[in-house]
Amino acid sequence: EAGVVQSPRYKIIEKKQPVAFWCNPISGHNTLYWYLQNLGQGPELLIRYENEEAVDDSQLPKDRFSAERLKGVDSTLKIQPAELGDSAVYLCASSLFGRRPSCGGYTFGSGTRLTVV
Amino acid sequence: QKEVEQNSGPLSVPEGAIASLNCTYSDRVSQSFFWYRQYSGKSPELIMSIYSNGDKEDGRFTAQLNKASQYVSLLIRDSQPSDSATYLCAVNTPFGFNKFYFGSGTKLNVKP
Repeated sequence: EAGVVQSPRYKIIEKKQPVAFWCNPISGHNTLYWYLQNLGQGPELLIRYENEEAVDDSQLPKDRFSAERLKGVDSTLKIQPAELGDSAVYLCASSLFGRRPSCGGYTFGSGTRLTVV
Repeated sequence: QKEVEQNSGPLSVPEGAIASLNCTYSDRVSQSFFWYRQYSGKSPELIMSIYSNGDKEDGRFTAQLNKASQYVSLLIRDSQPSDSATYLCAVNTPFGFNKFYFGSGTKLNVKP
């Protein structure tokens, strides 16, 4: 079974430029998460999808970040314009559980390491 | 106050010893607790989950949960150099659409 697939693995951009990350979750996983992880810190949730619906985007900086999950499968996270402080690893994760209490942990993708210069 | 607290370490143990990693959480209604291992430059990997008070063993790993004291621990027996990594504690609260909170992780060094 293929895991959570993310691309690109690395991205270097100049500040004020746009950037997009792509995630393909594990087949059948209805819930998809985008996390941000700074060096030496734990992952922090940006947005969570249940199927096509963004059920928790309270931590997403909506002035510059946007996300979509068309058809409830793949997802794209976009930053426009990027700032120096956006340099981090962006992790995508998927799982089967939804609104009921969790019965399992996440499976993370390999992440995209973004460097804004 | 952060929802999940971990000592950042590093925790150094000799090969073959027991490594003990601890985590405290603030939300009393939290229901699910997880330990992830993260090697440098890699993504987190789920290694243990625990949902009820007591101990849960899986190979060399034992997760311990005490809801009254709001702490979770991970014991690694017969530590190996390959166990050297950052261990992240994650806690799930049923409020707010099943929100997961991660600690900042404890770095473990197992010395040969």
